[in-house]
Amino acid sequence: AQSVTQLGSHVSVSEGALVLLRCNYSSSVPPYLFWYVQYPNQGLQLLLKYTSAATLVKGINGFEAEFKKSETSFHLTKPSAHMSDAAEYFCAVSDLPDSWGKLQFGAGTQVVVTP
Amino acid sequence: DAGVIQSPRHEVTEMGQEVTLRCKPISGHNSLFWYRQTMMRGLELLIYFNNNVPIDDSGMPEDRFSAKMPNASFSTLKIQPSEPRDSAVYFCASFGQGGEKLFFGSGTQLSVL
Repeated sequence: AQSVTQLGSHVSVSEGALVLLRCNYSSSVPPYLFWYVQYPNQGLQLLLKYTSAATLVKGINGFEAEFKKSETSFHLTKPSAHMSDAAEYFCAVSDLPDSWGKLQFGAGTQVVVTP
Repeated sequence: DAGVIQSPRHEVTEMGQEVTLRCKPISGHNSLFWYRQTMMRGLELLIYFNNNVPIDDSGMPEDRFSAKMPNASFSTLKIQPSEPRDSAVYFCASFGQGGEKLFFGSGTQLSVL
């Protein structure tokens, strides 16, 4: 079964500093990996996805993630944090290309941005 | 497009009562998913439909839960009887054929007292 593990349930960053959220996956087949963001009282929004094309994936709002097979990782980064980045972030994996929506989510990382 | 629409936004009920959650997917989307979010278990897939047909309901916790999709524009998730441990946020999500992005509704916050 596919799964993901997010390291760190809470991350605090200063405005303008690097944001780094860690995700490691476990999969017996080439994985399809995703990062979603959830703002308070809202549903999840897709930030970016990896589907076996380029290993460096760029998403919305200045986020990017790099797929590293040797490390089974898919960490999310943003060079400069903005106050609006405060939210909860979820890493997810799907092993079925014909079912993008059947996802296993990580436990989530809450990001706090301080002025 | 209005996005995925869920109702009600909040539901408070008493243990033993029937609860019905509703979802309208984005027009043209042929896959619909019900997820549940709790502090203890995080986000879990309950059931999903393709072309109105239930494909995988292995995540439905027990027989008290049932889901239907009578047509392409409407789905329900029913809990009967409800229990306090069912308290959670229930999300509906959809995507269309060839799409690579899952669209989530704003969720229904369910509290069972």
